[in-house]
Amino acid sequence: DAKTTQPNSMESNEEEPVHLPCNHSTISGTDYIHWYRQLPSQGPEYVIHGLTSNVNNRMASLAIAEDRKSSTLILHRATLRDAAVYYCILRVFYSGGGADGLTFGKGTHLIIQP
Amino acid sequence: GAVVSQHPSRVICKSGTSVKIECRSLDFQATTMFWYRQFPKQSLMLMATSNEGSKATYEQGVEKDKFLINHASLTLSTLTVTSAHPEDSSFYICSARVAGGPRLNEQFFGPGTRLTVL
Repeated sequence: DAKTTQPNSMESNEEEPVHLPCNHSTISGTDYIHWYRQLPSQGPEYVIHGLTSNVNNRMASLAIAEDRKSSTLILHRATLRDAAVYYCILRVFYSGGGADGLTFGKGTHLIIQP
Repeated sequence: GAVVSQHPSRVICKSGTSVKIECRSLDFQATTMFWYRQFPKQSLMLMATSNEGSKATYEQGVEKDKFLINHASLTLSTLTVTSAHPEDSSFYICSARVAGGPRLNEQFFGPGTRLTVL
């Protein structure tokens, strides 16, 4: 599986934008870039995913480099509830069944200061 | 939509007993569910893939006779930790992959089950 590299931790202030980087230099053409986050003592929560173009949803934006070797998750106005571990995961999408368990790295521990 | 539940949320048991954890997709069908384990301050590790109507597929190093998986319907998978020991204490999390519709193949996670073996 193609690997991702993320900073261990980042800190930001409340109500400021947060840019969480992810490097995936060995990404293949069929890999989608997924972001999940995990709040303390909870299961991971889907945040956003994309293939080539930048993506926006109600939670965040995903900016994907032109060569797809890196991406950035953008939280436009961080709140205390955004404090979590953020995981950047590469995943192949396909229509059939079969094994598709996600490979979680260490993620980035995002700390939000009030 | 796309809610996954787990039951129980927390369980404490004595060493040697068996514990069953349920994972349900509440508003969608899931032909495939996944079981993960997370030790304190570590990331999630995939344990096994649960397929409706067939045998589960286990990751390397995971004992299939110790972690019994049953995927009896399109909305329910169970994980039974047999003869649990203190080293099995962990946070067990399931995910379910959407079988159809506009969110086909997306995965949604349950809230996790905290197992403590005394």
